[in-house]
This record gives sequence, C-alpha cells and structure tokens, in this order.
Amino acid sequence: DAKTTQPPSMDCAEGRAANLPCNHSTISGNEYVYWYRQIHSQGPQYIIHGLKNNETNEMASLIITEDRKSSTLILPHATLRDTAVYYCIVRVGTDSSYKLIFGSGTRLLVRP
Amino acid sequence: SAVISQKPSRDICQRGTSLTIQCQVDSQVTMMFWYRQQPGQSLTLIATANQGSEATYESGFVIDKFPISRPNLTFSTLTVSNMSPEDSSIYLCSVEEWGTSGSYEQYFGPGTRLTVT
Repeated sequence: DAKTTQPPSMDCAEGRAANLPCNHSTISGNEYVYWYRQIHSQGPQYIIHGLKNNETNEMASLIITEDRKSSTLILPHATLRDTAVYYCIVRVGTDSSYKLIFGSGTRLLVRP
Repeated sequence: SAVISQKPSRDICQRGTSLTIQCQVDSQVTMMFWYRQQPGQSLTLIATANQGSEATYESGFVIDKFPISRPNLTFSTLTVSNMSPEDSSIYLCSVEEWGTSGSYEQYFGPGTRLTVT
C-alpha cells in the first residue's frame, strides 16, 4: 500500500519554481522520503532524498516538515524538459533490506 | 551512475506463453529489483534479487508466475510465465548503487513493454 499522497497533476510556467507537495502522514522515524521522476517511455530518474533535514542538490530542493508528515519538492527554475510524472516515495526497511513504495505520482506540465 | 540495459525493449506475446526479460548492468551490484508498471499506473515492486540467494517476492507475486535468476553481480532475468492480457505492463529492473548524495540510490533500466494478446 502506498504511504504517500500526491495531487494527480500540476502545471507551472517555464522559468518559475515548481513546488510539488506530498503527504506521508504514516511515515516512521527511520523511513526516508525519496523523489523520482519519469519522463514518458523512460525508467524513473532519481532526484533527491531526505530523512529529517532539508536537502538541496543540482536538480532540486527537498523541504521536509518538522513533524515529517509532509514534504515539498522544489524545482527552482522549471524548464520544458522538466515535464514528467514526479513520484514521492517512502523507503521502508533497513540499508541491507529495503524497498521503495511508490505513490501514484504528480503529472507536472511546464508551460512555455 | 550505473548503466542498465534491458532486452527486449518491447514484445507482443500470445496468452499462455512465457517471456524472459534480461537486465544487464555495466558494474557489479549486490541488490537488483524488478518492478511492474501497469498502463497508466505507478510502479509496483515484484521482487528483490540479491546475488547468491533466492529472490524475495512481494505480496501478490509468486515465484511460479515470475521466476527470477541472478547468476552473477551484473545480470538478472525475470520470466513472465503463462501470460494473460492482465500481464500487459512495463517491466523494469533497477539496481542499488552508492550515489553522489552520499548514500545508496536506485537506478532504473529503460523498461520492457509487454503486450499480451
């Protein structure tokens, strides 16, 4: 069973920030939040992950609320190539035995 | 990151037959995963395949229907047996590798698009 809830679709203008929300109210203390995206007809691509602290890399920023029940993926300057389905995922288990539980995803459309 | 290839990229099969999907990685990895993505749906984990041990299947998936081999650290196969139209999906393999984030990340192959008629 999915442990995350995401809006089915969103859109934003090219060059603006895209803020994708995710609810994971049943997350446990040692479970990570991962974000992947899937561009049509391709395998999912890793974006970022975090446990408690906010994280930033060259692709995006991840903001996790203090109670860890929700998070937001931020694409600071969306481009047309960022149009994809974005999956918020909870990683359950330990480093030696774990699995990714995919949510239903948010279809992001970046408008010119 | 690991480069993953899958064969075939797509296939159309008749019901009652079986198809074996191959997953090849360009580096040695311990953990490999097989997922199913039904049309318009998200990904569902089928099983985890570690080299040297039996695959671990998720609830709703059984070895008789989806036998998996993991003969070495760079290769795995998934067989979809006695296929029915309900098996029409994209099947993806993924591997775990140490990433630039400073922790393990999963990388996915391009997928095998299966249509059962």
